[in-house]
Amino acid sequence: EAEVAQSPRYKITEKSQAVAFWCDPISGHATLYWYRQILGQGPELLVQFQDESVVDDSQLPKDRFSAERLKGVDSTLKIQPAELGDSAMYLCASSLDTGAIYGYTFGSGTRLTVV
Amino acid sequence: AQSVTQLDSQVPVFEEAPVELRCNYSSSVSVYLFWYVQYPNQGLQLLLKYLSGSTLVKGINGFEAEFNKSQTSFHLRKPSVHISDTAEYFCAVSVSPRGSNYKLTFGKGTLLTVNP
Repeated sequence: EAEVAQSPRYKITEKSQAVAFWCDPISGHATLYWYRQILGQGPELLVQFQDESVVDDSQLPKDRFSAERLKGVDSTLKIQPAELGDSAMYLCASSLDTGAIYGYTFGSGTRLTVV
Repeated sequence: AQSVTQLDSQVPVFEEAPVELRCNYSSSVSVYLFWYVQYPNQGLQLLLKYLSGSTLVKGINGFEAEFNKSQTSFHLRKPSVHISDTAEYFCAVSVSPRGSNYKLTFGKGTLLTVNP
């Protein structure tokens, strides 16, 4: 079964350092999402891509977060500088369509700890 | 804007007992509804979804959910749980795809703990 690949699985970084996460969606999935999940809460959307274009980044803290999907395939989410409150699970998901008919397939996530 | 409320943050049950995890949503337009399961330090796995048609939806691992439009609910049920069902369960809603942009909005989750 096809999977969404994410790396690294775990990341510990010091406050004020830069950190980056990588996601490779299922082949052929045009829509890619980055979610942040704080411990004990549901995932919250950070950014949504349709191919290489951003279609929703209204909840992305743009002063420190950036995301790109240059060739419309894999994607990188960056935080610079990291803050203690950024400690969370960062989940990537992809979808065949632009809606939810087929559902989203999630990766295993990157657990970020900022110290 | 749509929103999802999961009424119970934790549900402890004994093995082989039935369970119901409650979910209510609010939306001004038609919705698609989903239940996802998350095991510790893992991503989310789709259990089932309601798009249209029959209001009773069957999913994987013996779970089912019933869409109730008048009560804006989408409760998840299983007649007999196993230890392996211990996990966090998330209800999610997506608006009907007539707009130009839509996304999954998740509830805060319900931790199901199955005890021997």
